[in-house]
Amino acid sequence: GAVVSQHPSRVICKSGTSVKIECRSLDFQATTMFWYRQFPKQSLMLMATSNEGSKATYEQGVEKDKFLINHASLTLSTLTVTSAHPEDSSFYICSAQLGLAGVDEQYFGPGTRLTVT
Amino acid sequence: GDSVTQMEGPVTLSEEAFLTINCTYTATGYPSLFWYVQYPGEGLQLLLKATKADDKGSNKGFEATYRKETTSFHLEKGSVQVSDSAVYFCALSDSGGGADGLTFGKGTHLIIQP
Repeated sequence: GAVVSQHPSRVICKSGTSVKIECRSLDFQATTMFWYRQFPKQSLMLMATSNEGSKATYEQGVEKDKFLINHASLTLSTLTVTSAHPEDSSFYICSAQLGLAGVDEQYFGPGTRLTVT
Repeated sequence: GDSVTQMEGPVTLSEEAFLTINCTYTATGYPSLFWYVQYPGEGLQLLLKATKADDKGSNKGFEATYRKETTSFHLEKGSVQVSDSAVYFCALSDSGGGADGLTFGKGTHLIIQP
């Protein structure tokens, strides 16, 4: 099946620094990638939708200047958390989707645990 | 907006027991419904899906039927195994044909004891 990787799996950074998380589709080209955030014992919350070669679409309440998304190729999307603060500590998960239809399966990465100290 | 509500866990069962994990949803359109499973240390994997009312999704002995009249998509399995221990997420996509992110429930942690 389709595989999506994320790097790094865990990262600890100091408050005020920026962190980049990579999401790669390893054996398929993903027209669309999604970024989710998951707090402990909470559901995954969609942050943004990323289409290759165009600007990301952010969900209401997500600061686009804080969570920078770049989808430079059909196999790579990056999420950069700028000027991170402790409240940004969370589990970030990406997914990649073939095609555009909403019924298509999304393939999920294993997630990245961000801790901001 | 769209939302998904599923039973909170953890749910602990003995091996070979019958499993039901309830899931209900609210959506403005005609959503597709999904169950994802997350095994320890791994990413979410699609378990099954249904795209229209009365459809039944099934995989690995798990089943769920899209019930529009009750806005439900309950997950069932007749005889669970220890290897089924995982977190199960109910989700919907209300994209209307375009690419759309998923709306997830909070997840249900299932523990199967031998």
